[in-house]
Amino acid sequence: DTGVSQDPRHKITKRGQNVTFRCDPISEHNRLYWYRQTLGQGPEFLTYFQNEAQLEKSRLLSDRFSAERPKGSFSTLEIQRTEQGDSAMYLCASSLAGTAYEQYFGPGTRLTVT
Amino acid sequence: DAKTTQPPSMDCAEGRAANLPCNHSTISGNEYVYWYRQIHSQGPQYIIHGLKNNETNEMASLIITEDRKSSTLILPHATLRDTAVYYCIVRPGAGSYQLTFGKGTKLSVIP
Repeated sequence: DTGVSQDPRHKITKRGQNVTFRCDPISEHNRLYWYRQTLGQGPEFLTYFQNEAQLEKSRLLSDRFSAERPKGSFSTLEIQRTEQGDSAMYLCASSLAGTAYEQYFGPGTRLTVT
Repeated sequence: DAKTTQPPSMDCAEGRAANLPCNHSTISGNEYVYWYRQIHSQGPQYIIHGLKNNETNEMASLIITEDRKSSTLILPHATLRDTAVYYCIVRPGAGSYQLTFGKGTKLSVIP
């Protein structure tokens, strides 16, 4: 399968712990996006990368959140000092530069903060 | 950004056409309409997009009114696998690539 993959698929953590998620985009896609989705809501944009450069960040991305895409391939999203409000599905998507709105989504990482 | 309005839910009989409406009365002249869907426990899936002309692909057809204030996504022969939340999205202005999802329409295809 050559789609977008995310790891882990599920993560349970205690409040105050740090967590890191990984996203592997479709190999030829140079744009990568992170979204967050809570129950009953549509996904909300967090940030996006073109190659290794982080070009846009949402106000939702507080200081506790950081994302990297060190070599323009896979990306990581880290949440420090997790809070119960961080419980959500974290979705990664990728696209080609010329078709930025045709984004291909991964299955997501479901985070539960207890 | 132009806002979209969709009904929260719709039912459709299996094998019949599903017509999903979307209002986007504040859309600008250079903004596209995109449709995505999200099947339970999966990430969203791109379906189709258009600017002013009607569009068709292997998944669906998109009909945009002449004044561009509304559109309809048509699934010509709905199957049980089409049960999902369907999102109508208006592309923001130049320089931003984020997709702004609303709550979408929950389509239930009934046997």
